[in-house]
Amino acid sequence: EAQVTQNPRYLITVTGKKLTVTCSQNMNHEYMSWYRQDPGLGLRQIYYSMNVEVTDKGDVPEGYKVSRKEKRNFPLILESPSPNQTSLYFCASSLTGPSTDTQYFGPGTRLTVL
Amino acid sequence: AQSVSQHNHHVILSEAASLELGCNYSYGGTVNLFWYVQYPGQHLQLLLKYFSGDPLVKGIKGFEAEFIKSKFSFNLRKPSVQWSDTAEYFCAASGGSYIPTFGRGTSLIVHP
Repeated sequence: EAQVTQNPRYLITVTGKKLTVTCSQNMNHEYMSWYRQDPGLGLRQIYYSMNVEVTDKGDVPEGYKVSRKEKRNFPLILESPSPNQTSLYFCASSLTGPSTDTQYFGPGTRLTVL
Repeated sequence: AQSVSQHNHHVILSEAASLELGCNYSYGGTVNLFWYVQYPGQHLQLLLKYFSGDPLVKGIKGFEAEFIKSKFSFNLRKPSVQWSDTAEYFCAASGGSYIPTFGRGTSLIVHP
C-alpha cells in the first residue's frame, strides 16, 4: 500500500531535549516536506526536499533541522525543543513537487513540549 | 506575498443542506489549486485539484469546485452534505515554487 508513515504519533517531551520525528514514504517520490498545523493558522511548511541531499527552508524553519540521506526518508530534528514548537506535524511527499503533483500526507505527529 | 484566504472558519449544517466554502488566492502567474480534507483524527487527503482546462472540477465524494480566474476564487461545493462530511477543509495554492500555501482551514460540522 502506498503510504507516508511517521513515528512517533504522539510525543511529550521537555524543553531542550533533542528529538527526531521520522518520516518514510514507499512511493519513490522525489519531493518531501514537513508542515506544522496550528489552530487558526492552517498548515505552514517547515522544510522541504526536492531530492536526496537537497533540502531548503519553508515558511517557518526556525528551530528545526532536516536531512535527506535516502530518497524514502526525511526526518525532522528538533535540536532544542521549546514550548512554542508544541504542534501537530505532518510529513508529505509528492512525485516531483507541490506545483504539479498531489501531496500525500502522513498520519501526523502530535508533539507537546513542556 | 502569496496567500490563500478561507473566509468561513466554522460552518454548521444539517444533513442534506448544500455547502459552499469560499477560497480566494493571491498569486502572481500560473497557479494550481487544491482542496484537502482532514477527517477527525486522520491525515489530510486530496479532495480535488485544478491545474488547467475545465474550470469546474469534480472530486471525490460528490465534491466539486469552480475556478473563477477573474475573482481569484476556487470555492468548494457539495449539493447535499452528509454527517460523514464533518471534517476540516483546507484550500491550497501552488505556483512555481516548491512551497505551497495553505488557507487557515474551515471546520465543517454536519448534524444528522
